[in-house]
Formats: sequence, C-alpha cells, structure tokens
Amino acid sequence: AQKITQTQPGMFVQEKEAVTLDCTYDTSDQSYGLFWYKQPSSGEMIFLIYQGSYDEQNATEGRYSLNFQKARKSANLVISASQLGDSAMYFCAMRERDTGRRALTFGSGTRLQVQP
Amino acid sequence: ETGVTQTPRHLVMGMTNKKSLKCEQHLGHNAMYWYKQSAKKPLELMFVYNFKEQTENNSVPSRFSPECPNSSHLFLHLHTLQPEDSALYLCASSQDGIRTGKLAEQETQYFGPGTRLLVL
Repeated sequence: AQKITQTQPGMFVQEKEAVTLDCTYDTSDQSYGLFWYKQPSSGEMIFLIYQGSYDEQNATEGRYSLNFQKARKSANLVISASQLGDSAMYFCAMRERDTGRRALTFGSGTRLQVQP
Repeated sequence: ETGVTQTPRHLVMGMTNKKSLKCEQHLGHNAMYWYKQSAKKPLELMFVYNFKEQTENNSVPSRFSPECPNSSHLFLHLHTLQPEDSALYLCASSQDGIRTGKLAEQETQYFGPGTRLLVL
C-alpha cells in the first residue's frame, strides 16, 4: 500500500482564488511528521509547511495552511489567494519516527496551474 | 549563500564514463541525503549520512557510490550507469541529530536545485 497518496495529478485554479491539494497517508507509527514541498520547473524542492502528529493546531505559514485530520489520516494543503508564481508541482511527504529512519516518503505529486 | 548547492546542474554521460555529483550545504546541518526523481515516479531516497556516517542505503546499485567527507559536503560518484539511471538527483540536508526541542527544525529537509542527469 502506498504510504502517501495524492489523488489529484493536476489542478487548475484562477488567480486570487483558494485551492486545496489533497494528501492522505498510511502509517502505523504514533509519531510522525508531515511536510509539503513545492517544485517549480527549475527542479528545486522548496519546503512550505510542516505538521507534527501531536500538534493540535493546524499549521499555517503565510498563504499556506495545512488541514490536518488525524483520524482520517489526511493532511491537505490549502493555498489562499493563488498567484501565478504558485504554478508548480506540489508534493506531500511523511517522516515516520518510530523506526528511527530519517527518510521522507513522498507522494506522486499534484501539478497546480494558476490561470490569470 | 544559497542553503544547499549542487554541481553540476546538468550532466550528460555515456555508460562507460565516470562522473561525480557534488552537494554542499551552508546551513550548519549534520544530516545529508541523496534522492532520485525519475519521470513519473515519486522521489526515492538513496542514501542518508549523519555526522559523516552512512546510516541508510536504500538498496542502491553499487554503480552509485556516495562519499561524505564532512557534514557540509556530499558526493555521489557514478560509474557504468545505465540509461534508466537518467533522472533528477536531489541532495538535501537537515539538522537531525541536533536536538533543538523543535521537531520541525530538526526534521525539515532542505533541498538543493538538483542535477539533471542523462545517460546515453
């Protein structure tokens, strides 16, 4: 079974509107961290936001917020007031802490296109 | 200084060549990573180094040979590669191992711009 599932291969959004990118995860660990990264066409993975499994509040970073629903194992990224520069691939990732591994497991990504 | 740098940015090599990818981090981190991103596939972890020691090897073929001389530098030596090894190779670093009391700070991995490798 996939550990990180991103069901939306591509999304379109109008400039200045909000968009939600879906991410569900699968783990038996009690302690884990969830991450979202942005990858423009240049290739660099840019860290956006982090959510810890024990965090009670949803994480926010500027226009990015994470809608964390632990019981449903979902960690959706919400981008408010989309800008043309937000067009990129977006990846959800997880780090499982119980095994002690440092690796991040990534989803297959969602390509977001912001339209003027 | 950009946080994590990688050279070269683009590389074309034949199957009999030997080349090396270089990664340098200027963030004071102690953990460094190599990831492979192939077309149509999620990022795959290749190697993890913590305080210069290799701690994870994700069953990577021996034609990929990592080297970590210090906590700031990471190399990936390539020899006798196959066309299917063509991919974007990403280096990352994190603070792991330095307990700050803030898991977000410790665990967040910061990536370089990657090396686009084409094996002919």
